[in-house]
Amino acid sequence: GAVVSQHPSRVICKSGTSVKIECRSLDFQATTMFWYRQFPKQSLMLMATSNEGSKATYEQGVEKDKFLINHASLTLSTLTVTSAHPEDSSFYICSARQGNLAGYTFGSGTRLTVV
Amino acid sequence: QKEVEQNSGPLSVPEGAIASLNCTYSDRGSQSFFWYRQYSGKSPELIMFIYSNGDKEDGRFTAQLNKASQYVSLLIRDSQPSDSATYLCAVTLSGNTPLVFGKGTRLSVIA
Repeated sequence: GAVVSQHPSRVICKSGTSVKIECRSLDFQATTMFWYRQFPKQSLMLMATSNEGSKATYEQGVEKDKFLINHASLTLSTLTVTSAHPEDSSFYICSARQGNLAGYTFGSGTRLTVV
Repeated sequence: QKEVEQNSGPLSVPEGAIASLNCTYSDRGSQSFFWYRQYSGKSPELIMFIYSNGDKEDGRFTAQLNKASQYVSLLIRDSQPSDSATYLCAVTLSGNTPLVFGKGTRLSVIA
């Protein structure tokens, strides 16, 4: 089955620094990947759609200059949280789909804590 | 505005019983419907998906879709304590468009 690998699983960073999160499709090519954020006791909220070889599409209210997305290959998308602040602390999860008739597979998520 | 509604619960059922989880969606253009299970602190795991009206069974799980009523449900037979989790309903349009999630229903299976 489709496997999506996400790293790191947990990161603690200081306020003002940047953090990069990687999302890889291990056994399939993903021209599109999705990035979600989940705050405690809330559901997943779509942040952006990552498109291989082109600019990401961001949801309303998500700052594209703060959450940089790079989808440079068919198997790798990265999300960089720049100038992180404590309010950016959240669970970040990526997702991809192997074909239009398959389910969406999620990475294991990254727990970001900004101190 | 695309919306997916779920009862937040908690829904408590005794071990061995049938758990029934419900979901409604607002966008009539929705084509694909998914049920995910999420344990606390973990990412969602796909349980099953359904595209056509009617029932789809996979082991202890049955998904039911009624597009006319814009309603999708998940039945869990012979519920186990390990089924205790939050169940997320998600819908999408055709192709490779992003999932829209409901807020999830917390299920508690009591031994």
